[in-house]
Amino acid sequence: DAKTTQPTSMDCAEGRAANLPCNHSTISGNEYVYWYRQIHSQGPQYIIHGLKNNETNEMASLIITEDRKSSTLILPHATLRDTAVYYCIVKGTGNQFYFGTGTSLTVIP
Amino acid sequence: GAVVSQHPSRVICKSGTSVKIECRSLDFQATTMFWYRQFPKQSLMLMATSNEGSKATYEQGVEKDKFLINHASLTLSTLTVTSAHPEDSSFYICSVHPPSGRTDTQYFGPGTRLTVL
Repeated sequence: DAKTTQPTSMDCAEGRAANLPCNHSTISGNEYVYWYRQIHSQGPQYIIHGLKNNETNEMASLIITEDRKSSTLILPHATLRDTAVYYCIVKGTGNQFYFGTGTSLTVIP
Repeated sequence: GAVVSQHPSRVICKSGTSVKIECRSLDFQATTMFWYRQFPKQSLMLMATSNEGSKATYEQGVEKDKFLINHASLTLSTLTVTSAHPEDSSFYICSVHPPSGRTDTQYFGPGTRLTVL
């Protein structure tokens, strides 16, 4: 499975959009990009996933570049409850998820 | 509501004892479950893939004789940490992969905090 690179940490003001980047330059054509988040001492929570088209759901939007080498998770109006570690994962044909180091997002009042 | 449950949520045991952690799929039958371990301030590390009715598949570097996995039914997988030592203290998390035809998303349990004294 392709490796992902994310910034270690980010801050975002409450009510503003949080844009979390992820680099996956070695992604293959059949590999999906998944985003999960983990609030302290809890299990990871699914956010969104996509292959090549941009995706949106009630939680977030996922923007994947045309060459698929990077993506951005957008939380449109960050709240204090969005403070968490956000993981970008590239998953191939197998069902295993290999987590990287993630981005620790802190939403500031 | 919760899709995956784990029991217990936290456990403290003495060094040398064995501890069993249960992972239950509440919403669907799952032929495949996964076990992860997470040390403080670190990411999740996949330990093994639990396959219903067959042997688990372990990731490189994970001792299969120390971390026994039993997936006896389509809704239950157990992880037994045998002869636990303080270095086994960690946050253990399971996940469930839905049957094919449903979403390809994995659902994670709430985790079990193991402390070995």
